[in-house]
Amino acid sequence: AQSVTQLGSHVSVSEGALVLLRCNYSSSVPPYLFWYVQYPNQGLQLLLKYTSAATLVKGINGFEAEFKKSETSFHLTKPSAHMSDAAEYFCAVSDPSNTGKLIFGQGTTLQVKP
Amino acid sequence: GAVVSQHPSRVICKSGTSVKIECRSLDFQATTMFWYRQFPKQSLMLMATSNEGSKATYEQGVEKDKFLINHASLTLSTLTVTSAHPEDSSFYICSAPGRAPNVLTFGAGSRLTVL
Repeated sequence: AQSVTQLGSHVSVSEGALVLLRCNYSSSVPPYLFWYVQYPNQGLQLLLKYTSAATLVKGINGFEAEFKKSETSFHLTKPSAHMSDAAEYFCAVSDPSNTGKLIFGQGTTLQVKP
Repeated sequence: GAVVSQHPSRVICKSGTSVKIECRSLDFQATTMFWYRQFPKQSLMLMATSNEGSKATYEQGVEKDKFLINHASLTLSTLTVTSAHPEDSSFYICSAPGRAPNVLTFGAGSRLTVL
């Protein structure tokens, strides 16, 4: 069984500040991990993915995440927040044998203050 | 590339009627598509896996007679909410494996409001 926990349903940062969105996972098999972003009334856009290659993964829009097996974490970071980063962020896990079946975390709303 | 289109983006219907939502892969073929449901301010829950040419696979707790899924071609899957009730009001999102390995491409979603 797999599950994802996102710590903090709402994160607020100032423009230019570090963004840190937390994600912890549980998986009985080595997982694939993903971060998606959702803007209001839209579908999901992939930010980045971990599929057992490099543990530090770089994505679009300056985001990156590090897979830490010892901590079962896959936190999302961005050095400097931009106003356009304000959105809903979802961490997701899948079994490599069935990558179509994504298990999503509860989501974190990122607010960026000017 | 790898675009998934959903239609309609918004639909309002009366209680007791049926509503069909279409999910199309525009520039690739998809033998499998996935339907998710998202309640306001909540996460996405997988409802079912749509398989081209065969029956859909439903997740536990999802009524297959309530949410009819048809995947008649390699580019089209449809979700029909039958005898809709206000509690069926939600954001429905479909996805399909695109060209990039191990990655799903999501549609823009369809917001259903049942009065």
